[in-house]
Amino acid sequence: EDKVVQSPLSLVVHEGDTVTLNCSYEVTNFRSLLWYKQEKKAPTFLFMLTSSGIEKKSGRLSSILDKKELFSILNITATQTGDSAVYLCAVTPLPGGSEKLVFGKGTKLTVNP
Amino acid sequence: DGGITQSPKYLFRKEGQNVTLSCEQNLNHDAMYWYRQDPGQGLRLIYYSQIVNDFQKGDIAEGYSVSREKKESFPLTVTSAQKNPTAFYLCASTGRDPTNTGELFFGEGSRLTVL
Repeated sequence: EDKVVQSPLSLVVHEGDTVTLNCSYEVTNFRSLLWYKQEKKAPTFLFMLTSSGIEKKSGRLSSILDKKELFSILNITATQTGDSAVYLCAVTPLPGGSEKLVFGKGTKLTVNP
Repeated sequence: DGGITQSPKYLFRKEGQNVTLSCEQNLNHDAMYWYRQDPGQGLRLIYYSQIVNDFQKGDIAEGYSVSREKKESFPLTVTSAQKNPTAFYLCASTGRDPTNTGELFFGEGSRLTVL
């Protein structure tokens, strides 16, 4: 059974801290890994990773994939209170498309001022 | 602006009643999805539709029904057969993409509470 495990499930930090969120997966055939940010309601897309070792970056957020060790990390530097959210990791296995997405339970990040 | 609109945002129902959640998109996306999110749980797929007049069951379809009569619309009915319907429901869509690596666009969700 395909599975995505995120850790930690919950994290509380102070503004300015750097955090690393983890996502490990087990899928029969890997296609892509996606990160979403869910602040209150609608998850919003952050990154899609398909190749090992290539860092994706957007402002203070970055992510990288290790297909050999079957995990990805999401880094957030100089955290701000606006980074408080649930971060979801999902994997698309082959064959198939979005209907096959497997989601982790999410990491709830709280950034205190 | 293009996007996905879900309604209502909050809904209360009594046990034994069916309720229908609306999902409309103006992104011209072919595929639409319904997910259920429970506290501390990942998103679980209820139903999905890749084309008008066709839909498939997801992982937790029991107690739910859908229709896809128009490309823009994918309503979800939570029936009285659903044993534990209190949850947050998310609708999503994605366009026709030959690579289809999985990026979903989400609505803002509907929170259903059964009293």
